[in-house]
Amino acid sequence: DIVMTQTPLSSPVTLGQPASISCRSSQSLVHSDGNTYLSWLQQRPGQPPRLLIYTISNRLSGVPDRFSGSGAGTDFTLKISRVEAEDVGVYYCMQGTQYPWTFGQGTKVEIK
Amino acid sequence: EVQLVESGGGLVQPGGSLRLSCAASGFTFSSHWMHWVRQVPGKGLVWVSRIKSDGSLTSYADSVKGRFTISRDNAKNTLYLQMNGLRAEDTAVYHCARDWWGGTDVWGQGTTVTVSS
Repeated sequence: DIVMTQTPLSSPVTLGQPASISCRSSQSLVHSDGNTYLSWLQQRPGQPPRLLIYTISNRLSGVPDRFSGSGAGTDFTLKISRVEAEDVGVYYCMQGTQYPWTFGQGTKVEIK
Repeated sequence: EVQLVESGGGLVQPGGSLRLSCAASGFTFSSHWMHWVRQVPGKGLVWVSRIKSDGSLTSYADSVKGRFTISRDNAKNTLYLQMNGLRAEDTAVYHCARDWWGGTDVWGQGTTVTVSS
């Protein structure tokens, strides 16, 4: 199975400041079709997960543009340009390149 | 409104069975691959199973293979997860989710399964 490792596991951030989460996979996420199926999800307290970013850097419709994804191969990053109060929650990276799909451990973003 | 609503969770003894359902609305259910993902409260997400749009292809996590069966009824816009031989470690909230570009763009609120004697 592909292991997804996120860092940090906790990220206290000041409102209006940027935040960054890294995700590393144990093997390349480049699919045989040429796509890289790396997604980022946000889970607010008491809510189901919500897809933010798919295929490394594509924002789902309705996701604020302060969220951006980047990376390639085995190393990926989610950036929040200016953290807002509603961004508090746990963020997960997920690979959909190879079954079984696997998730990172989650990174808790909280306000300082 | 695009929506997924799970049902069928509950308390079951070890070795017992449950069938979860996921009712889809607001989109063309028969066009989408679908997934089940579970989460122990306070813990991370674990992918369980997926099914192709026409039901012809399925995959399972090793931890549930041979015990769980995913299926769908496109005429009823409903996804199912038949869970047999339940174990304490299957205790979790089970979410159904719609496939989107190797991710999952629509999630249900989840249904809670508790396996305990």
